[in-house]
Amino acid sequence: QQQVKQSPQSLIVQKGGISIINCAYENTAFDYFPWYQQFPGKGPALLIAIRPDVSEKKEGRFTISFNKSAKQFSLHIMDSQPGDSATYFCAASSSSNTGKLIFGQGTTLQVKP
Amino acid sequence: GAVVSQHPSWVICKSGTSVKIECRSLDFQATTMFWYRQFPKQSLMLMATSNEGSKATYEQGVEKDKFLINHASLTLSTLTVTSAHPEDSSFYICSAIANYGYTFGSGTRLTVV
Repeated sequence: QQQVKQSPQSLIVQKGGISIINCAYENTAFDYFPWYQQFPGKGPALLIAIRPDVSEKKEGRFTISFNKSAKQFSLHIMDSQPGDSATYFCAASSSSNTGKLIFGQGTTLQVKP
Repeated sequence: GAVVSQHPSWVICKSGTSVKIECRSLDFQATTMFWYRQFPKQSLMLMATSNEGSKATYEQGVEKDKFLINHASLTLSTLTVTSAHPEDSSFYICSAIANYGYTFGSGTRLTVV
């Protein structure tokens, strides 16, 4: 029940295209859903996060869509650029459970010029 | 703001020796810190939750006698890998809860030879 399932494992998108990564969870106590970007040899960096009281959040080219009833959330990267090529992780945490963050399996994104 | 500094960024040690990794919150107080391990092309796996002034809480399957965690102050948590073996070679990352969410250190690449 603590798992967060992420798909696809890898994704190739042309420059200017839309990258879409999906995540699903089981634990209804989760109340914080962030997305992280990680480059090789670096720690993850927060991209955008959402709480279950909203269905969508947009920051620049990044949008989170959240479906509470389906227990799913997704990251959309608009106008994808080669510099977006990285590994993306979704995560979830519950403020009622020490706040520990559970990560999805990760998606390696390659944006072709 | 909310910077976590992790040191060293990489370390090579001989099998059987111990290695200490430090994680410091530079501009905020971190009551709780988290330690993750990441193998190549895999996700971040939570090892333990570190609470200032008390014993760490380890995730199932993590050997607490092998991975010693100390959180003696509100700005410093340390992870000591004792009697390291080649299978402990991994990328170790710390994280802390800041005002806006979780912030991560830049990671430590441990190689045991």
